[in-house]
Amino acid sequence: GESVGLHLPTLSVQEGDNSIINCAYSNSASDYFIWYKQESGKGPQFIIDIRSNMDKRQGQRVTVLLNKTVKHLSLQIAATQPGDSAVYFCAERMTGSARQLTFGSGTQLTVLP
Amino acid sequence: DTAVSQTPKYLVTQMGNDKSIKCEQNLGHDTMYWYKQDSKKFLKIMFSYNNKELIINETVPNRFSPKSPDKAHLNLHINSLELGDSAVYFCASSQSRGSNQPQHFGDGTRLSIL
Repeated sequence: GESVGLHLPTLSVQEGDNSIINCAYSNSASDYFIWYKQESGKGPQFIIDIRSNMDKRQGQRVTVLLNKTVKHLSLQIAATQPGDSAVYFCAERMTGSARQLTFGSGTQLTVLP
Repeated sequence: DTAVSQTPKYLVTQMGNDKSIKCEQNLGHDTMYWYKQDSKKFLKIMFSYNNKELIINETVPNRFSPKSPDKAHLNLHINSLELGDSAVYFCASSQSRGSNQPQHFGDGTRLSIL
């Protein structure tokens, strides 16, 4: 079946380094993608989104890259800080799916001092 | 000033009981959702309501019954609780108008069945 998945379940980076979290999706009919951050005991928090007609979008310290050719999505976090430690989810929405999101399995990012 | 709020935050109960979780959003959104997150952090949609009408109903046991009294509220009632219902349940909301409308989540209700 079609699914959203992540290459790595865990990622550890040194404070100050850049982080890259990857996500593979298999549904070419998806038109909208979102990255969420979930801290312990909290709900998923919106970070950044991108539509399928774009290949890059930047926010504050974060950049999302979309490669539709290989169905790959990545989240880049610049100058990673201890507060960035969390589980990161990518989510996709298929065209005409009544706003339904399909979530990936999540990547645990740990920032080392 | 919480945007999406759920109550209770923790719910511990015996197998076979009936319980409800409440959700309210003050974002003015017209669509609300319930998700279940299992112990491996996998998030799966259960229900979605748009303007108080059910639009998504995934394969969920009919022991789970959502109710939307108005656009700002979506409650989840669960009958005859089972051990497998233990999970974190998240409420979310979004606006249906416009193409880029992310969902905003509450902080979850951790349900533990004894």
